[in-house]
Amino acid sequence: DGGITQSPKYLFRKEGQNVTLSCEQNLNHDAMYWYRQDPGQGLRLIYYSQIVNDFQKGDIAEGYSVSREKKESFPLTVTSAQKNPTAFYLCASSIGTGLGTGELFFGEGSRLTVL
Amino acid sequence: QKEVEQDPGPLSVPEGAIVSLNCTYSNSAFQYFMWYRQYSRKGPELLMYTYSSGNKEDGRFTAQVDKSSKYISLFIRDSQPSDSATYLCATEGGGATNKLIFGTGTLLAVQP
Repeated sequence: DGGITQSPKYLFRKEGQNVTLSCEQNLNHDAMYWYRQDPGQGLRLIYYSQIVNDFQKGDIAEGYSVSREKKESFPLTVTSAQKNPTAFYLCASSIGTGLGTGELFFGEGSRLTVL
Repeated sequence: QKEVEQDPGPLSVPEGAIVSLNCTYSNSAFQYFMWYRQYSRKGPELLMYTYSSGNKEDGRFTAQVDKSSKYISLFIRDSQPSDSATYLCATEGGGATNKLIFGTGTLLAVQP
């Protein structure tokens, strides 16, 4: 089955620790995205990548880092610099990034809780 | 002013009711509009994708875009308990890319 796999589903972290969330897709999509979802705030874009070895900051990139070494993979690291890391993180992909290609395919999400 | 505004609800309706979910947007340049459905603790999935003004129907779901008033709607006919979810409207944020701007989502509960 084609889709997006995120892991882990739940993660607990102590303050001051970096954590990395995994995102893998087998849809052969060029573009991949990371969103953060908080109650009452909708989805906010953290980073996106249109092609391997290239990525751009979204609206709330501070305290996060990403890499795109392979087309299938787009891991997100939540660093200790992120002041409010407790959230639901969603990875998504799309066929392209031009207008009219906005159908995003989402993973099941990773819930990060900072203790 | 947010670029996309959506009433967060919650909205509770009896089974079989017609549900109307709405969003407004601020930029008249937006042309592509989407509705995503998100079940609790899951990722969103695309329900409807429309271009410019008009209606699009898919089974019990109808998406409507009124560009003159910058208003987008999702109607659900004969609502079912399985429709209970958060519904997110979204639009491509203009420019040359498909970067999406999401509403905050409306939580819908359909009571059996």
